[in-house]
Amino acid sequence: AQSVTQLGSHVSVSEGALVLLRCNYSSSVPPYLFWYVQYPNQGLQLLLKYTTGATLVKGINGFEAEFKKSETSFHLTKPSAHMSDAAEYFCAVSFGHGNTPLVFGKGTRLSVIA
Amino acid sequence: NAGVMQNPRHLVRRRGQEARLRCSPMKGHSHVYWYRQLPEEGLKFMVYLQKENIIDESGMPKERFSAEFPKEGPSILRIQQVVRGDSAAYFCASSPEREQFFGPGTRLTVL
Repeated sequence: AQSVTQLGSHVSVSEGALVLLRCNYSSSVPPYLFWYVQYPNQGLQLLLKYTTGATLVKGINGFEAEFKKSETSFHLTKPSAHMSDAAEYFCAVSFGHGNTPLVFGKGTRLSVIA
Repeated sequence: NAGVMQNPRHLVRRRGQEARLRCSPMKGHSHVYWYRQLPEEGLKFMVYLQKENIIDESGMPKERFSAEFPKEGPSILRIQQVVRGDSAAYFCASSPEREQFFGPGTRLTVL
């Protein structure tokens, strides 16, 4: 079965520290991978995506993620956390060809401590 | 280019009433997806539509829920005879290809 797992429902980091949010997936077909951010009572904003090509992708707000096929992972990182990064982060995967629904992880809430 | 629009943003219904949620996709997008987000959970796929066609409704409950995307006008997610368990945030996304753009959501509260 195709699934997405985000390790850690809540991650807390100090301002200026490294942010690492983990995402693993299981799939029998090449996936398209996405990270979304959700601020309280708002919709989802796309941070970055992997479709094909370079496995290290850069997104908005200084975030980046690396697709590792051998590890079936797509972890999200940011070198230095900012207070404004506090939000809910969702990893999502599109399986199969063409337009397909996204399968979401359960989300990771990031807290940034001053 | 305006983003995906959803209305109403907040909807309160009593048990047994009907809820109608509207989604206007981005200009030029012909694919619409509906997702539901329960508290403390990720988004769950409900239904995927193209103009006048339901492509995939595998995530939608068989009873009380229906969706449409007419030739003209917004996509509608309709929930009949709402129950407290229907309380959730409902998000619509539109897409030209693989990437999906999300609306701000409709937060449904069933009293």
